[in-house]
Amino acid sequence: QTVVTQEPSFSVSPGGTITLTCGLTSGSVSTNFYPSWYQQTPGQTPRTLIYNTDTRSSGVPDRFSGSIVGNKAALTITGAQADDESHYYCVLYMGSAIWVFGGGTKLTVL
Amino acid sequence: QVQLQESGPGLVKPSETLSLTCSVSGGSVSRFYWSWIRQAPGKGLEYIGYIYYSESTSYNPALKSRVSISVDTSKNQLSLRLSSVTAADTAIYFCARVNWRENWFDPWGQGTMVTVSS
Repeated sequence: QTVVTQEPSFSVSPGGTITLTCGLTSGSVSTNFYPSWYQQTPGQTPRTLIYNTDTRSSGVPDRFSGSIVGNKAALTITGAQADDESHYYCVLYMGSAIWVFGGGTKLTVL
Repeated sequence: QVQLQESGPGLVKPSETLSLTCSVSGGSVSRFYWSWIRQAPGKGLEYIGYIYYSESTSYNPALKSRVSISVDTSKNQLSLRLSSVTAADTAIYFCARVNWRENWFDPWGQGTMVTVSS
């Protein structure tokens, strides 16, 4: 069974830049997996940040960007702010109407 | 704009069937693809399954034997049924629209908490 991997936790200083990644236990992530990224603060509904690898959802600031880096999907936050402290989830489309979420990354801004 | 609202019993007994409804406003349930996603307490998100206008469904292989998703066009709702529940099915259950062309989920409902306990 393919597992989608994410860093369990990360920390960044205010104003810093960080890249979160989304990989596979077997194989490489490409645009064919249509990676998307969601931000979720505790008790809240997930908010779409990025879809189709690098397209920002409506209203998402341009300091959030998506890409493929090496064999993984990546979410880069440039100029981190305090309210970026959240959980970040990626999800990959596996085909045949099956999506698999990563375990999420808890981002701390301090 | 499309808005989603989940509803259903907050408490289900072990071995029984969990039944939830997602009411869709601002759009027709027959025009789009829809999904259910859940999140156990303190855990990550888990894809449950999707449906398109009763024509096609697909389910997470890990849940496939117990799950059923349907739509009711007269009520503009989609439904989730999960049978033989255990404590491991305790979670917040979200419905979300699937943007089929680019395979992403938006918008999401606010979610409804279901606890499996006797």
